[in-house]
Amino acid sequence: NAGVMQNPRHLVRRRGQEARLRCSPMKGHSHVYWYRQLPEEGLKFMVYLQKENIIDESGMPKERFSAEFPKEGPSILRIQQVVRGDSAAYFCASSPGTPRNTQYFGPGTRLTVL
Amino acid sequence: AQSVTQLDSQVPVFEEAPVELRCNYSSSVSVYLFWYVQYPNQGLQLLLKYLSGSTLVKGINGFEAEFNKSQTSFHLRKPSVHISDTAEYFCAVSDPAGANNLFFGTGTRLTVIP
Repeated sequence: NAGVMQNPRHLVRRRGQEARLRCSPMKGHSHVYWYRQLPEEGLKFMVYLQKENIIDESGMPKERFSAEFPKEGPSILRIQQVVRGDSAAYFCASSPGTPRNTQYFGPGTRLTVL
Repeated sequence: AQSVTQLDSQVPVFEEAPVELRCNYSSSVSVYLFWYVQYPNQGLQLLLKYLSGSTLVKGINGFEAEFNKSQTSFHLRKPSVHISDTAEYFCAVSDPAGANNLFFGTGTRLTVIP
């Protein structure tokens, strides 16, 4: 059973470029969550998606950030025109459904903005 | 809204000694409670969770936690730590009736000293 997969593991971008982070949930999981971990801080919720739907994006910055979870393929977190403050570890988690179900985390993508 | 406080940012402890990592939460509703462990440059791994029932929860790697509703606490304990327990530990809560996202504390860095 493959776990949650994220790629790339490390991503370096210059200011103004776009960053695309990918997350493949565990087999059978239709719920995906994205979290951001800034240096020396805990994880902060960004967005919760089900297949083809954004359920809760209350943690997403209002500009430059977007997320999708298409019917086929991985979930994508997209950051346009990156700035240095976007440098962080971005974690994806998946679950089969309800809050009673454990969220399983991927290894994260470490984004560095130069 | 939920919030989680981990008062101790760093806890050094000698090998084979007991340890307690503290977690307090704030919520106006009932909650689900979780402890996750993060090893360097890795994703989060679930140690244990409280959903309902017995307030003493046993997890992996010899860890256990006790849910105390009156004190709104969910402290993590281990009677005898190993060098391999050195890691960052995160307490998290979620709302059983709301969105599925987790609210994390800022983490406690456990360092086991030989």
